[in-house]
Amino acid sequence: GDSVTQMEGPVTLSEEAFLTINCTYTATGYPSLFWYVQYPGEGLQLLLKATKADDKGSNKGFEATYRKETTSFHLEKGSVQVSDSAVYFCALSFLGSSNTGKLIFGQGTTLQVKP
Amino acid sequence: GAVVSQHPSRVICKSGTSVKIECRSLDFQATTMFWYRQFPKQSLMLMATSNEGSKATYEQGVEKDKFLINHASLTLSTLTVTSAHPEDSSFYICSAPDQNEKLFFGSGTQLSVL
Repeated sequence: GDSVTQMEGPVTLSEEAFLTINCTYTATGYPSLFWYVQYPGEGLQLLLKATKADDKGSNKGFEATYRKETTSFHLEKGSVQVSDSAVYFCALSFLGSSNTGKLIFGQGTTLQVKP
Repeated sequence: GAVVSQHPSRVICKSGTSVKIECRSLDFQATTMFWYRQFPKQSLMLMATSNEGSKATYEQGVEKDKFLINHASLTLSTLTVTSAHPEDSSFYICSAPDQNEKLFFGSGTQLSVL
């Protein structure tokens, strides 16, 4: 079946370090891919998305490229801040198939950024 | 912006009791809401789709009689874990799409059954 696999956390970085959180997926068909972020005490928020191969999603300095050949959607940021400390979820969905909200999530990766 | 409010954020209960979790869309109407569950170090898994005015749709392997879902109004869906047992201890989270199909999530409920 369809699934998403993320790198295990927690990931601990110093401020201004480079961030990569790996995400790979297995899917029949061509899903849309998402990164969600959950800050402490808040709900998940959409961080970025990509709907087709080679698309790059970007937001708040984060970016991820939809790589069909490697079935990956790795999240990157060039210089993290303490305020980026959160849990990050990679997810896939088949938009346009009346399945809005039927997201398949990875297990989440906790990022801790130290000053 | 749109907000989904979920309560309680944390609940501890004795085995055999029932626990109700509420999910409210605060500034938009949601005919559909989604309930997810996450066990430690595992993915968020969709449990069921809550439909206003009709029965919920459950994912394969989710017990309908154990996880009662009620979507009585366009802004409120509730999940009741009936006769909770320690294996039901988990993180439960709801989401709802607004009229533009943008998804908003609640902050989640950590259930611990003793």
